[in-house]
Amino acid sequence: DAGITQSPRHKVTETGTPVTLRCHQTENHRYMYWYRQDPGHGLRLIHYSYGVKDTDKGEVSDGYSVSRSKTEDFLLTLESATSSQTSVYFCATAGTGETYEQYFGPGTRLTVT
Amino acid sequence: GEDVEQSLFLSVREGDSSVINCTYTDSSSTYLYWYKQEPGAGLQLLTYIFSNMDMKQDQRLTVLLNKKDKHLSLRIADTQTGDSAIYFCAESETGANNLFFGTGTRLTVIP
Repeated sequence: DAGITQSPRHKVTETGTPVTLRCHQTENHRYMYWYRQDPGHGLRLIHYSYGVKDTDKGEVSDGYSVSRSKTEDFLLTLESATSSQTSVYFCATAGTGETYEQYFGPGTRLTVT
Repeated sequence: GEDVEQSLFLSVREGDSSVINCTYTDSSSTYLYWYKQEPGAGLQLLTYIFSNMDMKQDQRLTVLLNKKDKHLSLRIADTQTGDSAIYFCAESETGANNLFFGTGTRLTVIP
């Protein structure tokens, strides 16, 4: 494991409220990613970071923003949560090894009511 | 995004071999991975293969790649009940980003 923790692990929130999910890693990996997992869709990339303050959009970035102010932490923010953002969110990290294999955190289950 | 297809379910008897299949559409795929997800957990990397390889073996796992047909398979020999999980294939052109996942195959091992 790459020492990845996510917080909170579970959250229930109401439509329209802001939500921030945190990913923390202890492996000094350069790359960090946020995915969402939904039945029938596998995992889809929301945003990723290739260094401090360097981020880019993934496949399903609408309604999400990210920030990375230091190597260890990657934050995912839902500015105004909607029911369609009910999902399980996974953070992943990758170093700069030959295969760029990604290591995943335990996930955050978010329910928007 | 790129399409990565997997069948949703597979059941096998304990001790038999399991074969999980995956097809992808991106002819530029360079890195191909198999991940395992146990209930309530994140994904765990099982193995990977580069597009210039046809086969890779790692203990009970054998990965076969048919680049012409864009077909990837994972064979698990002597399947055990602990192998019951969801298996995802994933592909990437660059490796560092834009990892595209299949929908996952739920493997059930019957004792």
